[in-house]
Amino acid sequence: DAGVTQSPTHLIKTRGQQVTLRCSPISGHKSVSWYQQVLGQGPQFIFQYYEKEERGRGNFPDRFSARQFPNYSSELNVNALLLGDSALYLCASSLLTAGFTEAFFGQGTRLTVV
Amino acid sequence: KNEVEQSPQNLTAQEGEFITINCSYSVGISALHWLQQHPGGGIVSLFMLSSGKKKHGRLIATINIQEKHSSLHITASHPRDSAVYICAVRSAGAQKLVFGQGTRLTINP
Repeated sequence: DAGVTQSPTHLIKTRGQQVTLRCSPISGHKSVSWYQQVLGQGPQFIFQYYEKEERGRGNFPDRFSARQFPNYSSELNVNALLLGDSALYLCASSLLTAGFTEAFFGQGTRLTVV
Repeated sequence: KNEVEQSPQNLTAQEGEFITINCSYSVGISALHWLQQHPGGGIVSLFMLSSGKKKHGRLIATINIQEKHSSLHITASHPRDSAVYICAVRSAGAQKLVFGQGTRLTINP
């Protein structure tokens, strides 16, 4: 069974552009969370989706948005890219939205904004 | 002060040494995770704990709920253990994981 898959693995964009990152969770997992990891720091929570509804949002500007599809895959969109958006974007899937539930991570998408 | 603090931030040791990485947190939790991140970026889950102690091969994780503290131990360390080890907690009833800054471990042959 495939783990969490993310695409693309690497991406270079110019300031002001828009980007879409994709995530497919483990089969049977309905919860998908997105995290941003800036170099040298721990990941920071961006969004959680469960059953196609937003269940949590971190402290990120409205330029960041996401959605979840009927097959539970998810997209993260970032508009009007800034240099500071350069980071590793991680997707995690889990069975539950909260509590004692294990999170499984994808390999991440490394976004570079120039 | 961050909700999750790890120490040390960097650790270099010789092959075979016993390694301890510490994690302290400030909130009530439903679960604490120990994760491993290699240079490529992908994160692998090592342990999920809510109490007591877990062991997998040469890795041992312990948690003290009263003291809000967890430790990750590596016995007979090996150069392939070199990675960043991250502690993350999920607060009771919360959706998100809150991560520590990670401990960069280097094991020299």
